Order: sequence, then structure tokens, then C-alpha cells
Amino acid sequence: DTEVTQTPKHLVMGMTNKKSLKCEQHMGHRAMYWYKQKAKKPPELMFVYSYEKLSINESVPSRFSPECPNSSLLNLHLHALQPEDSALYLCASSQEGTQYFGPGTRLLVL
Amino acid sequence: SQQGEEDPQALSIQEGENATMNCSYKTSINNLQWYRQNSGRGLVHLILIRSNEREKHSGRLRVTLDTSKKSSSLLITASRAADTASYFCATGVRAGSYQLTFGKGTKLSVIP
Repeated sequence: DTEVTQTPKHLVMGMTNKKSLKCEQHMGHRAMYWYKQKAKKPPELMFVYSYEKLSINESVPSRFSPECPNSSLLNLHLHALQPEDSALYLCASSQEGTQYFGPGTRLLVL
Repeated sequence: SQQGEEDPQALSIQEGENATMNCSYKTSINNLQWYRQNSGRGLVHLILIRSNEREKHSGRLRVTLDTSKKSSSLLITASRAADTASYFCATGVRAGSYQLTFGKGTKLSVIP
């Protein structure tokens, strides 16, 4: 299984909502990542988990809260988002430097 | 920032032609990778070239790396309409955890 899955594919939420994005991989990779990508821009790193511990937080606002329940799962909890947070959120896992990306969750904040 | 800069930003070619995209970066790297992204979806890894390598091939792809000039190029030969996508270079550095920093990307359009 060389796939990274993400749910949901699309999400529309209001600024007062709480929602979660989910990511799963069964490749045995011990590093997992969250990226944010705005239209016509490259992905920007948000968080890195290594062996289920948060190793990098790229100064992301606290309204984004990552969680790694186990080595296969990665969540991104969303609360009190702003319209400018609307973007494609990509999850990835890595082995020996190569990153494998999920299809992303397209988020719209109203 | 060691973010890569791709050149050109956009490229339009006829099917069957070759496409060349260039990438420049600023700091030392462990490797350089190229990824493809079809309209608004996940990225697909194409090829990785290590800092001690100069050239690598994979099918119709050829990547070169010049660490003295801090630049790389991706050549796609005999392009197909299905190659239409955005292509990103990403510099890889291990600093504790392994990190990639993506360039701005080249949007390739292959006209049938």
C-alpha cells in the first residue's frame, strides 16, 4: 500500500465551527507532514511529526492544532478559522527523503 | 530562505516536443526533488537527485544538478498531453526531521 489518504476531500466551515482533517498511511513511514497550499502557490510546511512527536511547527496560528494518535494517523483540528485560511491542505509521509502526498482537503472558510 | 525558484513560470509546447524547466536555490542541500501536481490535487514524486549526483534518468525524465551553481533542470522528452501539470522542485535538508522547501513551480501545458 503506497497510498496516503485524506478525508474529507472538501470542507466548508464557518468561522465559529470546529472541524478536523484526517490523514492515514500504512507504509510504515515514521515522519508525517501537514502543508497548506494557496492557489497558484507552492505548498508551505505547517507541521512535521517524527515518530509520533511534533518536531516542527512553522509558526502556525493556534487555531490549527495537529495531533498524531499513532504512527499511521495524523489529524489537523481546526477552530475559529478565518476566510484567509481557505486553501488546499495536504498531508504527506516520508521515507528516506521522498515524500508521498495525499490528494488533499480543499477547505473553504466562510 | 532556500526556496527554489523555477524558470519559466509557465511553458506551453506541442505534443512530442521536449520541455525543460529550471530551478535555482540558495543554500546547501542533501538532495533535490521534482514533483508534479495536477490541477489542485496532491503532489506526485517524480525523481530525487542527491547532492553528490550530477544527472539522473527515469523514463522520459532527465534531471541534472549543479551544486556549484545551485541549480537543477528537469527535461521531459517527447511530451504528451497527459504531462500537462504544474512541476515543483523541492530542496531537501535534514535538520533533525527531514524537510522539503518547494519552489514556486512551472505550469506546463502540452497541446495535443
